[in-house]
Amino acid sequence: SQKIEQNSEALNIQEGKTATLTCNYTNYSPAYLQWYRQDPGRGPVFLLLIRENEKEKRKERLKVTFDTTLKQSLFHITASQPADSATYLCALDIPATTGTASKLTFGTGTRLQVTL
Amino acid sequence: GAVVSQHPSWVICKSGTSVKIECRSLDFQATTMFWYRQFPKQSLMLMATSNEGSKATYEQGVEKDKFLINHASLTLSTLTVTSAHPEDSSFYICSARDRSRRDEQFFGPGTRLTVL
Repeated sequence: SQKIEQNSEALNIQEGKTATLTCNYTNYSPAYLQWYRQDPGRGPVFLLLIRENEKEKRKERLKVTFDTTLKQSLFHITASQPADSATYLCALDIPATTGTASKLTFGTGTRLQVTL
Repeated sequence: GAVVSQHPSWVICKSGTSVKIECRSLDFQATTMFWYRQFPKQSLMLMATSNEGSKATYEQGVEKDKFLINHASLTLSTLTVTSAHPEDSSFYICSARDRSRRDEQFFGPGTRLTVL
């Protein structure tokens, strides 16, 4: 079965530094991979989607890379701020079996804490 | 961006009672909605996929007679937890896929269920 691992349960960094989060997956070759942010007691919020033919994608201070050979995605937050503190989830869209919709499957999540 | 709402945002009920949670897509039509459950410090686990006008597809290990899903319209899906027990206490999150934007999935704010 599909396995999606985010190798750090928690990551603490100092304000202004770059945070790098890792997502590894097995047993599948996804057409795209997504990153979400989740704050305590809230639903996930979509951040970025990167397709299999894209090596890198950027959005403001966020950067995502996608290495389909290594089966890995890296998520970077540059010039991190305390407001970036949250749990970050990667997700893969698993294709459907006949007659059903594809399913978004989430990784274990990394809790990022940015301190002053 | 597209908005998904959930109601109620939290509910406390006695063991043995049934609880209904509503999920609405406010400004788009969703042929497919998904229900997730999240326990503390864990990632989102897909419970079922709900398609408008047809029966829901449940993930392995999820009891369809306990978690009743109805997707009566393109903007509303409901999850009813029947005969709730304390172990059903969790954070329930729905999401909806915009039929006009194939890859994008939007999440509701979640419903915190506590069964006493």
